[in-house]
Amino acid sequence: GDSVTQMEGPVTLSEEAFLTINCTYTATGYPSLFWYVQYPGEGLQLLLKATKADDKGSNKGFEATYRKETTSFHLEKGSVQVSDSAVYFCALSKAAGNKLTFGGGTRVLVKP
Amino acid sequence: DSGVTQTPKHLITATGQRVTLRCSPRSGDLSVYWYQQSLDQGLQFLIQYYNGEERAKGNILERFSAQQFPDLHSELNLSSLELGDSALYFCASSVGLLRQGLYGYTFGSGTRLTVV
Repeated sequence: GDSVTQMEGPVTLSEEAFLTINCTYTATGYPSLFWYVQYPGEGLQLLLKATKADDKGSNKGFEATYRKETTSFHLEKGSVQVSDSAVYFCALSKAAGNKLTFGGGTRVLVKP
Repeated sequence: DSGVTQTPKHLITATGQRVTLRCSPRSGDLSVYWYQQSLDQGLQFLIQYYNGEERAKGNILERFSAQQFPDLHSELNLSSLELGDSALYFCASSVGLLRQGLYGYTFGSGTRLTVV
């Protein structure tokens, strides 16, 4: 079945550091790919998405590119802030199945 | 406010009891999904409803059931509760079957269930 694997955390960074969270997926066909963020005590918010190969999703300084050849969708941000401390989830969705399949989540802690 | 409303926000109950979690989807969304988030299992898909009909089932226990009503709100019923059922239960909604891969899903803020 479909699956998403993302790097385990926690990832601890200093403010203004570069952030990368690796995400790879296993799925047949051409899934849509998503990054969701969960701030402490809150629900999941869509951060960015990409629907086809080579698409780049971007939002709030975060970027991720849909790489079909490596089945990856790595999340990057050039300069993190303390307010970026959260849990980040990579996910995929296939039009036929419709549900979201999530990775295990990566906790990011940014220190001032 | 995401537009998806879940009630209650917190629920504490005893083992063996039954609870009902409620979800009102974002206006115009026809699909509702239920997810369970626990520390050891991560985010697990439970069940999906589309316009009142069950569409897909995931790792949902037989003690759990759900339905979607004509006004499109959904309820998740959890019975014979066990300590291991303690988790965050999220509801998400999306526009419809053909477009959700493009537009993603909107999540509610969740119901935290504690079974004691």
